Parts: sequence; structure tokens; C-alpha cells
Amino acid sequence: DTGVSQNPRHKITKRGQNVTFRCDPISEHNRLYWYRQTLGQGPEFLTYFQNEAQLEKSRLLSDRFSAERPKGSFSTLEIQRTEQGDSAMYLCATRLAETQYFGPGTRLLVL
Amino acid sequence: GDSVTQMEGPVTLSEEAFLTINCTYTATGYPSLFWYVQYPGEGLQLLLKATKADDKGSNKGFEATYRKETTSFHLEKGSVQVSDSAVYFCALSNYGGSQGNLIFGKGTKLSVKP
Repeated sequence: DTGVSQNPRHKITKRGQNVTFRCDPISEHNRLYWYRQTLGQGPEFLTYFQNEAQLEKSRLLSDRFSAERPKGSFSTLEIQRTEQGDSAMYLCATRLAETQYFGPGTRLLVL
Repeated sequence: GDSVTQMEGPVTLSEEAFLTINCTYTATGYPSLFWYVQYPGEGLQLLLKATKADDKGSNKGFEATYRKETTSFHLEKGSVQVSDSAVYFCALSNYGGSQGNLIFGKGTKLSVKP
């Protein structure tokens, strides 16, 4: 257990529905990252927060995706109008110095 | 852009065999290098890291040396155990950039048989 928690752990939804995932970081870590991992691949960077500011977004983050980190605490990742191609594991990580600590992930299946 | 290439799996070994998983990278500047491990049903865990050339990272009997001249960070273990069965990911982070996100290889699945 790295101290980073994510909820829910699993989500099944129908195409076109909206979903929201939550990440609770290690409290003293001010940098937070979201990644997406598809089957047989390594995680790919989606977006990055330093405290409450979203400083970087990958081109993978289409306009259907939005992320927030109110007050620099927990973070949410929302996907609107889900598509089957959104099925993946969504990982949250927090960083202290040069090390990133990952949560267990939320596995999304879009039917 | 920056990238990581690691040997494709799956790799199947007998217990007590020697393990090498190759990893090479392409990056500007001086990245930090990492090996993460993902056990079945669990999240990614940092296995070891090296932050500058010629550094050796080590943990749980695993080792990897940061070789700038060959842009490599190969993972080795002298005697694997069944409990080492997992997916291993090589990654780099170029903290000279603003965000310092990790760039991962595709992962190598290791199965160790008794």
C-alpha cells in the first residue's frame, strides 16, 4: 500500500454515459499525475497538477476528459460521453522528490 | 520525443535462474531511470531507481545500472523466485521538463516456475 487511494476500483458503464474517478493522494505530496494503461501497454501520461493548478495535459486528454484538484487535495477525473476506446485502467500517482507513488487504479469497462 | 524500449515478454524461467530484462531509452538531457513492478491484482510499485550516469539501483536482490554510453538500464537478478512473477516496467522521467511525468516501456511479463 503506497498511501494513494483510488475509488472506485472497478467501473462498468454503457457507452455515452459520464463517469468520475477519485484519487486521494499522500497528504504531503503536492504533485499529482493521472495516467491511462491499456492492456499489454505501459501507463501513458494524461495530466499533471501541482497543488490545485493543472499545469500540463497530454494530447491523449480529449475534450471529453476533465480533471480537477480543488484546494490541492484529492483529484477527480471525469470522462463525458464515454466510448468503448476509453476502456482502460486509470492510474493516479503522487510525487515526492524523484519518486512517484501509484494508487491501485480504477478499471473502466465501457460496454 | 523521449521513449523507452524494453524486451518483449513473456519471459518464463525456472526458480533460481538468472534474470535479465533489457531496457534502452531515448531522452534529451539527463533523465532519471526507474523500474516499476506490478504484481497480479496490485498497483505499480517502485522497484529501484537511478538518477545519474553510473548509478546502480538495487532492491530485493534486483539491480540495474544507469549506462549513459549505451542509453541502457537493464534489470538483473541472480536467482529468481516464484514470488517474482509479475510485470516489470522500465521508465524514465526527464525532470528538466516542467511536469516530470514518467514515460514507460510496454512492460515485460515474468513467470517463474518452481
